[in-house]
Amino acid sequence: GAVVSQHPSRVICKSGTSVKIECRSLDFQATTMFWYRQFPKQSLMLMATSNEGSKATYEQGVEKDKFLINHASLTLSTLTVTSAHPEDSSFYICSTVHSGSSYNEQFFGPGTRLTVL
Amino acid sequence: KQEVTQIPAALSVPEGENLVLNCSFTDSAIYNLQWFRQDPGKGLTSLLLIQSSQREQTSGRLNASLDKSSGRSTLYIAASQPGDSATYLCAVKSGAGSYQLTFGKGTKLSVIP
Repeated sequence: GAVVSQHPSRVICKSGTSVKIECRSLDFQATTMFWYRQFPKQSLMLMATSNEGSKATYEQGVEKDKFLINHASLTLSTLTVTSAHPEDSSFYICSTVHSGSSYNEQFFGPGTRLTVL
Repeated sequence: KQEVTQIPAALSVPEGENLVLNCSFTDSAIYNLQWFRQDPGKGLTSLLLIQSSQREQTSGRLNASLDKSSGRSTLYIAASQPGDSATYLCAVKSGAGSYQLTFGKGTKLSVIP
């Protein structure tokens, strides 16, 4: 399967600071990437769909001004959590769709654990 | 709105047993269904993907079935091993034109040596 990386794997920050998470597709070009959030013992919830060269599409209830997404190249999408608060502490996972994959299979990154103090 | 339910939420079995994990979804108009494995604090690893026109898929000791009309899928794991211990997630893709996946909460499997 396709390889997707995320950086950092874990971040701890103070309330009010901003945190940037990177998602990279290592062996293919990804025109579309997805950002999910997962709270303990809960499902993955789609936050937004990131399209290369255009604005991200946010799911209902997700604040676009708080969760800034930039997809400036075909291999990199970034999620910036602005003015983070403790309730933003969660596991953030990105995924990509490999254009060469049958059936639009999604491949997921290893996730980023965000803890806001 | 599609909803995905996985039962049980947790399962503990002795090594060597065969087991079945269940997934149900409310809207049978799906494009495909995927089973994933998630280890603690890690991302998702895709195990099997079943297209809506298929009945089952097999990979090694894993077999996934799909009954679209009844809104159900099962993941069968044969001869379980301690290394199979993880959370197993089921996700459905609702339309050919949409990439969006709807996930269940997962089943946490523990295989006891």
